[in-house]
Amino acid sequence: AQKITQTQPGMFVQEKEAVTLDCTYDTSDQSYGLFWYKQPSSGEMIFLIYQGSYDEQNATEGRYSLNFQKARKSANLVISASQLGDSAMYFCAMRERGFQKLVFGTGTRLLVSP
Amino acid sequence: GAVVSQHPSRVICKSGTSVKIECRSLDFQATTMFWYRQFPKQSLMLMATSNEGSKATYEQGVEKDKFLINHASLTLSTLTVTSAHPEDSSFYICSASSAGRETQYFGPGTRLLVL
Repeated sequence: AQKITQTQPGMFVQEKEAVTLDCTYDTSDQSYGLFWYKQPSSGEMIFLIYQGSYDEQNATEGRYSLNFQKARKSANLVISASQLGDSAMYFCAMRERGFQKLVFGTGTRLLVSP
Repeated sequence: GAVVSQHPSRVICKSGTSVKIECRSLDFQATTMFWYRQFPKQSLMLMATSNEGSKATYEQGVEKDKFLINHASLTLSTLTVTSAHPEDSSFYICSASSAGRETQYFGPGTRLLVL
């Protein structure tokens, strides 16, 4: 079974609007971490936001927020006030307790139009 | 955030040659470094995890004799693709983390083309 599922291969949004990128995960651990990374066409992976499984508040970093719903095992990324520079691939990832490695989803390509 | 560099950014080589890729953490001590491979329009696939001073742990299906990983210091890990073949052409990207940090920080990646 996929540990990280991103069901949206592509998303379109107009500049200045908000967009939600979906991510669901599968784990039996109680302690884990969830991450979102942005990959522009240049290829680098840019860390955006982190949510720990025990964090009670949803994580926020500037225009990025993580809508963490533990019971539903979802960790959606919300980008507010989209900018043209937000056009990129976005990857959701999870790290389970006791493991150093990240498991990535298949990604969502976001296109922001003027 | 932390800064990770990777060199070279792009390399073209002939089939049968070996290629070394360097990954450096510039402003923190990386106790653990990771090497990923990414094919076009696909997600990242973890190849191996290396802890400083220890042998790398390879993922299933990754040939350890072909992809040699060295993590000799807290700021440098190298990936050597030995006897490269066209099917090894890919985007290779490293990441680094340190003890107590949750986040992995990624280098800019290396595009390898084997002719």
